[in-house]
Amino acid sequence: DAGVIQSPRHEVTEMGQEVTLRCKPISGHDYLFWYRQTMMRGLELLIYFNNNVPIDDSGMPEDRFSAKMPNASFSTLKIQPSEPRDSAVYFCASSFVGANEKLFFGSGTQLSVL
Amino acid sequence: GQNIDQPTEMTATEGAIVQINCTYQTSGFNGLFWYQQHAGEAPTFLSYNVLDGLEEKGRFSSFLSRSKGYSYLLLKELQMKDSASYLCAVSNTGKLIFGQGTTLQVKP
Repeated sequence: DAGVIQSPRHEVTEMGQEVTLRCKPISGHDYLFWYRQTMMRGLELLIYFNNNVPIDDSGMPEDRFSAKMPNASFSTLKIQPSEPRDSAVYFCASSFVGANEKLFFGSGTQLSVL
Repeated sequence: GQNIDQPTEMTATEGAIVQINCTYQTSGFNGLFWYQQHAGEAPTFLSYNVLDGLEEKGRFSSFLSRSKGYSYLLLKELQMKDSASYLCAVSNTGKLIFGQGTTLQVKP
């Protein structure tokens, strides 16, 4: 298995632009998690899905952030409009049975908003 | 609320033993995880404790005391490649919440 696949690996954009991050979970995993990592705040859970349904989005910072999972093999995290404070590494992770077992993380997307 | 505390940084010598502590206060608890994260890479799973006691896996061991809200990760026979961040995480109501992580530097 190729593991969790995220794209792009790096994204540099200007403030106000729309940013879309993509994730392909490991086949057969029913849970998908989006995390954001910064030096100041560490690794923060943004949202997670079970069987393509958003279960908890309480970590999404504000309405500028949205996430979708149209099918079992694809999820997106969108920021519109982007701001410099959104600069971070965004990780996607997946697992079979949720947070009570180990998560498999993708390589992350390094986002820089200028 | 959720609060997970770890030391920010630690330094140890190659070949030595180091213990990284984690204390937590969470509204629920389904298990405690340790992850390793090398600079510029994704976190990778190290260990999982759901019951009190010590779990040993090669050079790494993890301990949990649920009554004290306390865990530690023990790394033996340190190697240079163990230089990384070590993240303590608590599973709670379907979510995995991470501490800030402890950056371990192993010196020759």
